[in-house]
Amino acid sequence: EVLLVESGGTLVHPGGSLRLSCEASGFTFSNSWMHWVRQAPGKGLMWVSRINIDGSTTNYADSVKGRFTISRDNGKNTLYLQMNSLRVEDTAVYYCATSLYCSTSSCSNSWGQGTLVAVSS
Amino acid sequence: EIVMTQSPATLSVSPGERATLSCRASQSVSSNLAWYQQKPGQAPRLLIYGASTRATGFPARFSGSGSGTEFTLTISSLQSEDFAVYYCQQYNNWPPWTFGQGTKVEIK
Repeated sequence: EVLLVESGGTLVHPGGSLRLSCEASGFTFSNSWMHWVRQAPGKGLMWVSRINIDGSTTNYADSVKGRFTISRDNGKNTLYLQMNSLRVEDTAVYYCATSLYCSTSSCSNSWGQGTLVAVSS
Repeated sequence: EIVMTQSPATLSVSPGERATLSCRASQSVSSNLAWYQQKPGQAPRLLIYGASTRATGFPARFSGSGSGTEFTLTISSLQSEDFAVYYCQQYNNWPPWTFGQGTKVEIK
């Protein structure tokens, strides 16, 4: 069974920093592109960042570029999101998710349960 | 940057009735379109990929259609467990994933 477990979310002041983690199991993590997606309270889904299988390619939404850094440790099956210069508008549940992966008969992707980041003074 | 627009924002449907949800892309996404179901307090769950292929675990009453810029999710006979928010998502263009704003399917 594919399992993604996020951690690290908490209350932080504007301008502060936080590192989220996403521990993966049940699949070959090192073969999967990974994403972070966030959801502000009562709002829709917003893609945040993506990383390729070996961490050599990363992409970011404009709203977080220069402030957030995605990384991974394939030896620990763990994805990270370093969040600096946090703003009130970064308040959201942060999900890690796999890219679409396909077997011979079907495709799927997996999401964690999310971790809440609250930015407030 | 591509924009995904869903309509309506809220759909009120009685159990057993048909629900039709729409998703429009600001430019072609070919068939690289997914639908997700999200229930309160839960993560999104992949429902449809490739515009029309049902993901494992979802019954045949869910169907997706369309290509290019116009897409539809149809729930043929709503069951109580189907009341949720549905998001479309493109994975063809930049940014890598773009979601629509969601359609809430609620009990009439």
